[in-house]
Amino acid sequence: NAGVTQTPKFQVLKTGQSMTLQCAQDMNHNSMYWYRQDPGMGLRLIYYSASEGTTDKGEVPNGYNVSRLNKREFSLRLESAAPSQTSVYFCASRPGLNSPLHFGNGTRLTVT
Amino acid sequence: EDQVTQSPEALRLQEGESSSLNCSYTVSGLRGLFWYRQDPGKGPEFLFTLYSAGEEKEKERLKATLTKKESFLHITAPKPEDSATYLCAVPTPFGNEKLTFGTGTRLTIIP
Repeated sequence: NAGVTQTPKFQVLKTGQSMTLQCAQDMNHNSMYWYRQDPGMGLRLIYYSASEGTTDKGEVPNGYNVSRLNKREFSLRLESAAPSQTSVYFCASRPGLNSPLHFGNGTRLTVT
Repeated sequence: EDQVTQSPEALRLQEGESSSLNCSYTVSGLRGLFWYRQDPGKGPEFLFTLYSAGEEKEKERLKATLTKKESFLHITAPKPEDSATYLCAVPTPFGNEKLTFGTGTRLTIIP
């Protein structure tokens, strides 16, 4: 099993460009999450999907949109990238409440 | 207000030198505390879940303990391969779906 797979691994964007980060899990988990990780800030929740068909805002949702395409896939879209969105983005999933998160290996995004 | 604080930010130990990492939290009615290990360029990897004060979990050279206000990750006779950043996380008061992470302790074990 691959676990949680994120694509791409690296990306450089110019300010104002758009892109979609892809995430897929093969563990039949109900819940999926998008976090960003910045030095000194820890992991911060952007959006999450508690189950297929639902999405909710996390701590830092501004400038992002998400789509829970099906049970396996949860994508994160930047409509108009800004330098403040330079970060490492992690997708995670888990079976349900109180169970541990399983993380992908991240997408390293630089916005110039 | 920070809900999860980890200390120290960084720790350098000689191989075989035991120590402890701390995770203190201010969330009331704790519904679980999670420990993760993160290697450079990788996503966090789950280590332990603790649910109640007094609970302990062990895995190889690591032992996690929990009190009502903090958790410790004890590392006994560490090896260089234990070098990593260790993160703790707790569910927020706003719902179990959201986890708040600490900023981590970067552990370096010197051969």
